[in-house]
Amino acid sequence: SQKIEQNSEALNIQEGKTATLTCNYTNYSPAYLQWYRQDPGRGPVFLLLIRENEKEKRKERLKVTFDTTLKQSLFHITASQPADSATYLCALSSDYKLSFGAGTTVTVRA
Amino acid sequence: NAGVTQTPKFQVLKTGQSMTLQCAQDMNHEYMSWYRQDPGMGLRLIHYSVGAGITDQGEVPNGYNVSRSTTEDFPLRLLSAAPSQTSVYFCASSYEIGGAGQYFGPGTRLTVT
Repeated sequence: SQKIEQNSEALNIQEGKTATLTCNYTNYSPAYLQWYRQDPGRGPVFLLLIRENEKEKRKERLKVTFDTTLKQSLFHITASQPADSATYLCALSSDYKLSFGAGTTVTVRA
Repeated sequence: NAGVTQTPKFQVLKTGQSMTLQCAQDMNHEYMSWYRQDPGMGLRLIHYSVGAGITDQGEVPNGYNVSRSTTEDFPLRLLSAAPSQTSVYFCASSYEIGGAGQYFGPGTRLTVT
């Protein structure tokens, strides 16, 4: 069966450090992989999209990698700030549908 | 632009009641979808639409109906509410599925007693 797994439900890091989140998938062949941010009580907000033929994508302090051989994406937040505290979701596209992982909650300590 | 709007924000239903969750977008997006979010389970796709007049089932469609008569609106109908439908419901829209990010509404928190 198809599965999307995000590493650990929670990640606590010190301000200024790099947070690394993992998204692993099985039985998908996604053309695209997306990352979203969700704050409590709000809808998810789109952050980045990476295509299957791209290895890496950057946006400001965010970096995403996509390894279709390992079936894994890594999401990095560099120079983290308390304002980066949120839940981060990965999503895969397949057959006109977008499937989401359960998310990883990041808490950045000042 | 208002983006994606959803009404109501909160709703309490009794088992067996029916209701419609409203969703509208003003970005002229062809693709719209409905998700439910439950603790620890992430977002699960209920129904989606690739354009006016075209809808299809997602991962958890049972107990829900949709229609898409206009590009802007995509209502979700609960036919006979059950406690298992207690959840937070999100509507989303995008230019295309996969190749573009989705815009989400603020959500509707539904409780079925």
